[in-house]
Order: sequence, then C-alpha cells, then structure tokens
Amino acid sequence: AQKITQTQPGMFVQEKEAVTLDCTYDTSDPSYGLFWYKQPSSGEMIFLIYQGSYDQQNATEGRYSLNFQKARKSANLVISASQLGDSAMYFCAMTPEGGNTPLVFGKGTRLSVIA
Amino acid sequence: DAGVIQSPRHEVTEMGQEVTLRCKPISGHDYLFWYRQTMMRGLELLIYFNNNVPIDDSGMPEDRFSAKMPNASFSTLKIQPSEPRDSAVYFCASTRTGLQETQYFGPGTRLLVL
Repeated sequence: AQKITQTQPGMFVQEKEAVTLDCTYDTSDPSYGLFWYKQPSSGEMIFLIYQGSYDQQNATEGRYSLNFQKARKSANLVISASQLGDSAMYFCAMTPEGGNTPLVFGKGTRLSVIA
Repeated sequence: DAGVIQSPRHEVTEMGQEVTLRCKPISGHDYLFWYRQTMMRGLELLIYFNNNVPIDDSGMPEDRFSAKMPNASFSTLKIQPSEPRDSAVYFCASTRTGLQETQYFGPGTRLLVL
C-alpha cells in the first residue's frame, strides 16, 4: 500500500521568500507518480506539479519546483518568491505509474504568506 | 477548454433525504474518480470508472452510496438515505489513459446533512 506523510500541519513564510513544503512517501511499486495540489480557501483542487519516479530531472513549473530524492523517498515542493495568493492548503499525492489510478493523499500543509 | 463540472456546488439537506451529486468530466478523458474530503479522514477515494465501467468501489462507505456512469460525459453519486456523517466535500476528477497523466478536479460539492 502507498502512504504519503506531510509532517508540517502549518507554515508561515514572508512574502517574496522561498518556502519548502515537506513530503515523504512509502511504496513498494517500482514506478510511481508524485503530485502536488493546491487548495485555496475557495475549496477547489488545483494541480501544481508532477514528478515521475524515473524522471532524471526534478520537475519545475514556474515558481514551483519539486525536490525529488528517490533514495530518501521524499518529494518536497519548493515555492520561490512567495506571494500572498500562495496562502492555501497544499497536498502531496501519489499513484503507481502516473494518473490512471486513484491518488493517495497526505494530510496537507497549510501555508500562510505574510506581507 | 471546460474543466470538470460538478453540480450542485452546495447542498443542504435533512437526514433521510436522497442526495444526488453530478459530474461532467473533461471531454476525451476516459477515467473518472469520486473523492470525499473530510476533516477527520482527509481526501479519500470512493469509486473510479474507466470507460464508464466501475473499476474499484472499495471506498464506498456502505450500501447507502451508489455511483453510475451511464455515458462518457456524465456520472452521478447518490446517497440514500443521507446521514449527518455524510457531510463533506465531494470531488470528481478525470484523466485520460497514459503514463504521467494528471487528474483534474472539479470544484467540488459541499454537502451538509442536518
């Protein structure tokens, strides 16, 4: 069975600073996909970034990057130059082989960006 | 392109009533997932479909819950009879066949059972 652990219930970051949200995972699947989603106070789930387990390079999408350390089974999300609009819940999730199977989610981290 | 569409966005009902949640996946997507989000249990899978066929319904809480996908562009999740513990946000998500395909979520239905 797959498991996602997010150990930071809440975090604060100053506007324009970078912040790292932690995510560790456990799986026996030989290949898998790792995802980050953002859930603002309005409630929708917004896809941010994807990392495949066999990808050689860390994924990046604009201000978002994923620090993937396979040996440590970690997939931390790095947000650079934080903005007030980044304040939200952030969920790490995984599936075997990508997105055609159900996502297993962590408990989430609530990020608050301070002006 | 239109994203995943869910209706209603909010539903308030009384215990014992039937509730029907609706979802329209992104056109061309052949996988559809129903998730539920609660404070206690977080986000969890209820059921998912591939090409309109249910693949895994092990997350459906009990017989009061049922889901159908009569065609590629429509799915329903029904709760009958509803109970206060069913109060949650219900999300529908869709994706297409392929490696490294992202699941895209609808806006969710916030259900409150009184």
